[in-house]
Amino acid sequence: GAVVSQHPSWVICKSGTSVKIECRSLDFQATTMFWYRQFPKQSLMLMATSNEGSKATYEQGVEKDKFLINHASLTLSTLTVTSAHPEDSSFYICSARDHFESNQPQHFGDGTRLSIL
Amino acid sequence: DQQVKQNSPSLSVQEGRISILNCDYTNSMFDYFLWYKKYPAEGPTFLISISSIKDKNEDGRFTVFLNKSAKHLSLHIVPSQPGDSAVYFCTGGGNKLTFGTGTQLKVEL
Repeated sequence: GAVVSQHPSWVICKSGTSVKIECRSLDFQATTMFWYRQFPKQSLMLMATSNEGSKATYEQGVEKDKFLINHASLTLSTLTVTSAHPEDSSFYICSARDHFESNQPQHFGDGTRLSIL
Repeated sequence: DQQVKQNSPSLSVQEGRISILNCDYTNSMFDYFLWYKKYPAEGPTFLISISSIKDKNEDGRFTVFLNKSAKHLSLHIVPSQPGDSAVYFCTGGGNKLTFGTGTQLKVEL
């Protein structure tokens, strides 16, 4: 089945550091990938929609200069949390949908646990 | 504005019995609904979906029912197995998915 790989799975870093998270579709092409954030005991909240070859679409309240998204190829999207602070500590999850199967469900990565000290 | 709500944060069921997870939504524009299952420290995995034009979809032990007039859907798992213990998310979607808050299902021996 379709596989989405997310890396790294766990990051601990100092406040002020920028952190890059990668999301790869391993066996399908994805023109669209999605980035979610989940705080403890809360639902997954969509942060932005990553579009291959164009700018990402951010949800209301998500700072585009804080969360930089790059989708340079059909199999890779990256999320960079710039100048991260403790309040950015969260579980970040990406998902992707097969370009040729738009009616199929999104496939999720295993998430990245980000802890900012 | 929470468009998808799962009002039961947790559910405990005995092995072999039926598990019923409920979900309510407010957005009548959703094209389809999906249920995802999530284990700790992992991403959600797709379980079953239903188009907004149908009222039932069945896949093995899993059946999803959609009541559009009540804006309510439910996931039935029968018989429940210990491996079904996980957090279940209900989502409504078109291009973007809107997740409910999840229900922690615990299937006990």
